[in-house]
Amino acid sequence: EPEVTQTPSHQVTQMGQEVILRCVPISNHLYFYWYRQILGQKVEFLVSFYNNEISEKSEIFDDQFSVERPDGSNFTLKIRSTKLEDSAMYFCASTLLAKNIQYFGAGTRLSVL
Amino acid sequence: GIQVEQSPPDLILQEGANSTLRCNFSDSVNNLQWFHQNPWGQLINLFYIPSGTKQNGRLSATTVATERYSLLYISSSQTTGSGVYFCAVEGDGGATNKLIFGTGTLLAVQP
Repeated sequence: EPEVTQTPSHQVTQMGQEVILRCVPISNHLYFYWYRQILGQKVEFLVSFYNNEISEKSEIFDDQFSVERPDGSNFTLKIRSTKLEDSAMYFCASTLLAKNIQYFGAGTRLSVL
Repeated sequence: GIQVEQSPPDLILQEGANSTLRCNFSDSVNNLQWFHQNPWGQLINLFYIPSGTKQNGRLSATTVATERYSLLYISSSQTTGSGVYFCAVEGDGGATNKLIFGTGTLLAVQP
């Protein structure tokens, strides 16, 4: 069964450093998402991406965050200057059609020290 | 925006017991998904169920869209079923297609 792949599974970084979280969505999907889950809390929407542009973003997704689909397969989330409060699990998701089932990757656990 | 509430927040079951988890949402939805988050943090998709009833093994789910709730039935629970169960919905209004998650039900199944 096709799946969403995320790398790395765990990323440790120093405060102020840039990190790039990588995702390979399911190959024929058209809509891509990033979600975040701070430890012990619920999963929160960060950003959605369609047709090579951001379609929606949350208040969390400030200027420190950016997304990119550099080629036909990868979808990345960049955090320019990490803060302690960016420590969380980050999930990538994709779907073929809007308002249809979203498939989630296994997540990247980001630890900012 | 749409609000999603789950109950109960915590639940302890003895292995083999049955239970029902509830998800209430405040507006009409086009998408409703149930997830199980395992101890490693992975979100496992259980059901895509914007309406109707589905069954998968010892799990089944029912969504009554007109009354804005969904139920997840767990029968003959097993210790491997421990973890957090999340309900997530996508509103049917406008261009938004993000999932809004509930706060989850933390389930502990004891041997």
